[in-house]
Amino acid sequence: ILNVEQSPQSLHVQEGDSTNFTCSFPSSNFYALHWYRWETAKSPEALFVMTLNGDEKKKGRISATLNTKEGYSYLYIKGSQPEDSATYLCAASHTDKLIFGTGTRLQVFP
Amino acid sequence: DTEVTQTPKHLVMGMTNKKSLKCEQHMGHRAMYWYKQKAKKPPELMFVYSYEKLSINESVPSRFSPECPNSSLLNLHLHALQPEDSALYLCASSQASQYGYTFGSGTRLTVV
Repeated sequence: ILNVEQSPQSLHVQEGDSTNFTCSFPSSNFYALHWYRWETAKSPEALFVMTLNGDEKKKGRISATLNTKEGYSYLYIKGSQPEDSATYLCAASHTDKLIFGTGTRLQVFP
Repeated sequence: DTEVTQTPKHLVMGMTNKKSLKCEQHMGHRAMYWYKQKAKKPPELMFVYSYEKLSINESVPSRFSPECPNSSLLNLHLHALQPEDSALYLCASSQASQYGYTFGSGTRLTVV
């Protein structure tokens, strides 16, 4: 059974601050690690999908790393902006099952 | 078209009603999914269809009945629901899990 955990549950930062979140997952039977950004009343938006140990991906000010041997991934946001305010979900997949963590709710204050 | 479209956006139904949720994608994705999300909880997987066949049922009560009429459409038929079934129901599609999922914006269901 996949059990995915995220921390912190919520985060309040000032505009311009850099921040990071953690996702932990069982390292056995791992297939892929996904990060999604979910704004209220919108669809979850895929940020990254990573499969290989040591993978690093970047999209603008947002980047992510993956360690499959120890079962964790970090998401980094550099120079947070108010429009980054959202819930960030990670999810681990095994074949066609994608299991979500509880999310980190980020609020960026101007 | 790179979207997953869900209808209706909101639904209020009584415990004796029968209703259906619809999901549509035209990206040629081979897999489609139903998730249920309650407040402050992560989305929970309900069903997976792969190549129009049900491949995963996460022990969902029979009052929820999925249907995949073709490769672009996914329905969720609802009958005799309970108030605790009130939630956001999300549909998603993907070509394969290493490519990420495309989600719809969900149907907010209230059972009264």
